[in-house]
Amino acid sequence: KAGVTQTPRYLIKTRGQQVTLSCSPISGHRSVSWYQQTPGQGLQFLFEYFSETQRNKGNFPGRFSGRQFSNSRSEMNVSTLELGDSALYLCASSLVSGVLAKNIQYFGAGTRLSVL
Amino acid sequence: AQTVTQSQPEMSVQEAETVTLSCTYDTSESDYYLFWYKQPPSRQMILVIRQEAYKQQNATENRFSVNFQKAAKSFSLKISDSQLGDAAMYFCAYRGTTSGTYKYIFGTGTRLKVLA
Repeated sequence: KAGVTQTPRYLIKTRGQQVTLSCSPISGHRSVSWYQQTPGQGLQFLFEYFSETQRNKGNFPGRFSGRQFSNSRSEMNVSTLELGDSALYLCASSLVSGVLAKNIQYFGAGTRLSVL
Repeated sequence: AQTVTQSQPEMSVQEAETVTLSCTYDTSESDYYLFWYKQPPSRQMILVIRQEAYKQQNATENRFSVNFQKAAKSFSLKISDSQLGDAAMYFCAYRGTTSGTYKYIFGTGTRLKVLA
């Protein structure tokens, strides 16, 4: 079974631009979460989607948004990029069953975004 | 709010020796899950071990085991017979069971070096 796939692996943008990152979850997984990883802040939760609905949201400005499609694939969008948005963006999917918090998240390899 | 603290930014261990990585957390919940994830240089986060707070027995996965002290809010990871492939960043994570605490909260990570 294929793992979580994130595209692209690397991205270079300039300040003020917008960017869209894509995540394809493991087949059968309906929950997708996004994280931002930086050396200074570590791993921070952005949001989680389940059945095309945002179920949970972290403390990020409205420039960060996401969506999930009917096939569970998810996209994350960042508008008006700032230098501080440079980070590794990780996507994780999980099979939702039973106690939700117990479900293991499987991570993709991430998209490295550099904002110049 | 829940917090996760990893006080060791970096640890080193000789191949075949045992090393323990520390993690403490703070929460007012009584039911939650704790995880250790490994992130090798390839960047893909991999689940190492999971502990359910209501289970007193410490989780074990082959060479990996935890020392879960619920009253002390401590969750350390012991790696026995360390191998070169264990070199990676290790993240401790907390996940609550109520809708407001369901998202993952990660520690800042411990970089483990394995010396040949």
